[in-house]
Amino acid sequence: DAGVIQSPRHEVTEMGQEVTLRCKPISGHNSLFWYRQTMMRGLELLIYFNNNVPIDDSGMPEDRFSAKMPNASFSTLKIQPSEPRDSAVYFCASSLNYGYTFGSGTRLTVV
Amino acid sequence: SQQGEEDPQALSIQEGENATMNCSYKTSINNLQWYRQNSGRGLVHLILIRSNEREKHSGRLRVTLDTSKKSSSLLITASRAADTASYFCATDDGTASKLTFGTGTRLQVTL
Repeated sequence: DAGVIQSPRHEVTEMGQEVTLRCKPISGHNSLFWYRQTMMRGLELLIYFNNNVPIDDSGMPEDRFSAKMPNASFSTLKIQPSEPRDSAVYFCASSLNYGYTFGSGTRLTVV
Repeated sequence: SQQGEEDPQALSIQEGENATMNCSYKTSINNLQWYRQNSGRGLVHLILIRSNEREKHSGRLRVTLDTSKKSSSLLITASRAADTASYFCATDDGTASKLTFGTGTRLQVTL
C-alpha cells in the first residue's frame, strides 16, 4: 500500500493566486481529514469527510478555502485567493475506524 | 483551541534513558491516541488507549490514561537516537469521528 498520497510536496505561489492541494487516501478508508500545521497554531483540523460527504468544515478559516471529495479516492483543498498567512504545511489523513494515516504533507509558501 | 496539551514542550535525553511525556485534555473522550512526527514528515500512529483502559503496552512504549485527571502519559523505554521526533497526543470528540491534536513534545535523543 502506497499510503496517503499528497501532491504537490512543495508549492510556492504569489499572493492572490489560486492554490489546489490534492490527496489520494488509502483505498477502503471511509474518512478523510485535512489539517494545517504551523508553529504558532499547531495542528488544526480544517474539514473532514465521511463516505465522501463533508461532515464538519467549522475549521475552514474563511470563504477563501474550499474542499471537495468527488469520489472515494480523491480530495482537493483549494485556496482562492491565497494570502501570505496561508503559508503552512497542509496534511491529508484517512482512516477506517481508529488511527489516522497521514500523508507527507504539502508545504505551501505564499509570497 | 487545543484539546490536548503536552508537557514538556521539549525533552532532551541520552540514548538508553527513558523518556516520559504527558498530555492533559479537557473534555470526555472515547479514546486517546499518540502519534509521532519526524521532521518534515506526516504523523505516524503509535498507540491507542480506550477510555476504559488504564495502561497499554506496545514494544518499548507504555501509555497510561487517567480519566479522572483527564491526563495521559507516554513512556518510551531504552530510548534510541531514532526516537528523536515530536510526539503528539490526540483525543476524539466523544463520537470517535475526528481527532484534536495537542501541541506536541519535541524529543531529542543524543548518543
